[in-house]
Amino acid sequence: EVQLVESGGGLVQPGRSMKLSCAASGFTFNKYDMAWVCQAPKKGLEWVATISYDGSSSYYRDSVKGRFTISRDNAKSTLYLQMDSLRSEDTATYYCARHFSAYTTDWFAYWGRGTLVTVSS
Amino acid sequence: DIQMTQSPASLSASLGETVSIECLASEDIYNYLAWYQQKPGKSPQLLIYAANRLQDGVPSRFSGSGSGTQYSLKISGMQPEDEGDYFCLQGSKFPLTFGSGTKLEIK
Repeated sequence: EVQLVESGGGLVQPGRSMKLSCAASGFTFNKYDMAWVCQAPKKGLEWVATISYDGSSSYYRDSVKGRFTISRDNAKSTLYLQMDSLRSEDTATYYCARHFSAYTTDWFAYWGRGTLVTVSS
Repeated sequence: DIQMTQSPASLSASLGETVSIECLASEDIYNYLAWYQQKPGKSPQLLIYAANRLQDGVPSRFSGSGSGTQYSLKISGMQPEDEGDYFCLQGSKFPLTFGSGTKLEIK
């Protein structure tokens, strides 16, 4: 069974940093592109970033470029999101998601339960 | 960026009724379209991928169709457990973009 378990969320002040982790199991982690998707309270879904299966490529939405960094440790089957210079508008539940097909970026097949990040003073 | 225009924003249906939700892409997305259901406090669940392929374990009353820029999700015979929010996602080009969502309720 595919499992994605996020951790690291919580309350953080504007301008500070936070690092999210996602522990993956139930599939061959190093074969799949992985992503972070966020959802602000009572709002829709927004793709944040994707990293390729081998970590060689990464892609970001414009609003987080230069502030967020997606990375992965294939030996530990773990995905990360380093979030710097946080803003109040970054407040959201952050989901870890696995792309559907091996070695390809397409839609998301599996999602974690999410971790809430609240940016507030 | 590819814009995904989803309609309607909300929908109320009777048990057994057939409902449809539409997503219009601002450019051709070559069937790189998925549909998700999300229930309150839960993560999204994949229903349909590649525009018309049913994800394993999803009831056959769900179906997807479309091509080019126009796509739709159909629920043939509304069930109580189908209440929730529905989103489309285009996976054709970065940035990946979602529709704004449809809230589906039982009438």
